[in-house]
Amino acid sequence: NAGVTQTPKFQVLKTGQSMTLQCAQDMNHNSMYWYRQDPGMGLRLIYYSASEGTTDKGEVPNGYNVSRLNKREFSLRLESAAPSQTSVYFCASRLQAGAYEQYFGPGTRLTVT
Amino acid sequence: AQSVTQLGSHVSVSEGALVLLRCNYSSSVPPYLFWYVQYPNQGLQLLLKYTTGATLVKGINGFEAEFKKSETSFHLTKPSAHMSDAAEYFCAVSADSGGSNYKLTFGKGTLLTVNP
Repeated sequence: NAGVTQTPKFQVLKTGQSMTLQCAQDMNHNSMYWYRQDPGMGLRLIYYSASEGTTDKGEVPNGYNVSRLNKREFSLRLESAAPSQTSVYFCASRLQAGAYEQYFGPGTRLTVT
Repeated sequence: AQSVTQLGSHVSVSEGALVLLRCNYSSSVPPYLFWYVQYPNQGLQLLLKYTTGATLVKGINGFEAEFKKSETSFHLTKPSAHMSDAAEYFCAVSADSGGSNYKLTFGKGTLLTVNP
């Protein structure tokens, strides 16, 4: 099993450009999550999908949209990138049904200039 | 609402010394508690977890943590530090936010440095 995979690994955008970060998991997990990590801030939840067909806002959703494409895939879209969105983005998944831990992907390092 | 406080953003120990990383939490419902480790330029890896049962939990790489409800703490320890333990460590709490939606709330992290 590959676990949780993310593409791309690195990306540089200019202010105002758009892009989509891709995430996929092969563990048959029900819930998926997007976080951003900034120095000294820990990880903050952007959006999550408790199950296929549902999405909800997390702590810092402004400027982002998500799509739960199917059970395996959960994408994060930046419609008009801003320098404040420079960060490392992590996708995670959770089985549900009595399992509370999340499993993380390797991250996408995004720089907006 | 739930929150996590990690005392000390940076901890430095000598190789072979005790490692103690502190975590306190607040939660209005019974919490599930986790420690994750992040090596440079990598994702987060689950180190150990407390859900129910025994309050002393053992994890990978010789780490353990004890859930103390009265102190709302979940400190991480390792008797003897190794150079390979140098990493950033995150404490996290999860509780049911309604509809069986369990979301993780993370502390800000503690960077562990191990000196030879």
